Amino acid sequence: QSALTQPASVSGSPGQSITISCTGTSSDVGSYNLVSWYQQHPGKAPKLMIYEGSKRPSGVSNRFSGSKSGNTASLTISGLQAEDEADYYCCSYAGSHVVFGGGTKLTVL
Amino acid sequence: QVQLVQSGAEVKKPGASVKVSCKASGYTFTSYGISWVRQAPGQGLEWMGWISAYNGNTNYAQKLQGRVTMTTDTSTSTAYMELRSLRSDDTAVYYCARADMSGYPLDWGQGTLVTVSS
Repeated sequence: QSALTQPASVSGSPGQSITISCTGTSSDVGSYNLVSWYQQHPGKAPKLMIYEGSKRPSGVSNRFSGSKSGNTASLTISGLQAEDEADYYCCSYAGSHVVFGGGTKLTVL
Repeated sequence: QVQLVQSGAEVKKPGASVKVSCKASGYTFTSYGISWVRQAPGQGLEWMGWISAYNGNTNYAQKLQGRVTMTTDTSTSTAYMELRSLRSDDTAVYYCARADMSGYPLDWGQGTLVTVSS
C-alpha cells in the first residue's frame, strides 16, 4: 500500500494556472476512476475539492478541475488567488483500501 | 448540512489504548461509511480504514491490522475508532470522515489530537 507520488511544492502568481500531478500505479489510479483531491489549510481539516476524477462538490469554485491519464491524475487551479495557498492531497481507491499522496504545498507568490 | 463532531484531545502512555468517537448528523447515517484518517505532526494524510454504517463491514490499512477496531452505533449515529498498543509514532490528529462505499472521504470531522508520551 504505497503512497501516491506528488511534487512536494508548486508555486504560481495570482491569476496564473498551476497543475499538481499525482502518480500511482495500475493497481490504483490507473484502474479506477475514483481519484479525489483535498485542500488543507494550516490547522484545519481537509476539504474535498474534486471527486471521481473530475467532479466538483457543490460550492467548490469552477477554477478547480481534475483529470486523469493512465496512472497519473492531475489537479489544475486556474486564476490563482491568495486563498488557494494550502496543502493539496490526492487520494485513490485501490480495491479494498484507499491510498493518499504525500501532499503538495501550493504557494501563491 | 453534514456535520461530524469528534471527541476531545487525549494523552496516552505507550502501550495504552485510545477510543475516539465521531457523531454524525445532517444525513442518513446508514447510507454511507465512515473512514478514519490520521495526520502525524507536519506530515501527510494516512488512511487507516473504513467501516460501513449499513452493515458494519470493515477494511483496515494493512499496517494497522490487529491494532485497530472500527465500530458504529446506528442508534446514535456515532462511529468509534479504537487503537491499541499505542506507540509514540501514533501521535497524530485523527479524523473521521463520511465516506462512500469505496472509502474515500467526503466530509470531515474537526479532528482529535492523540498524544502518546511517557
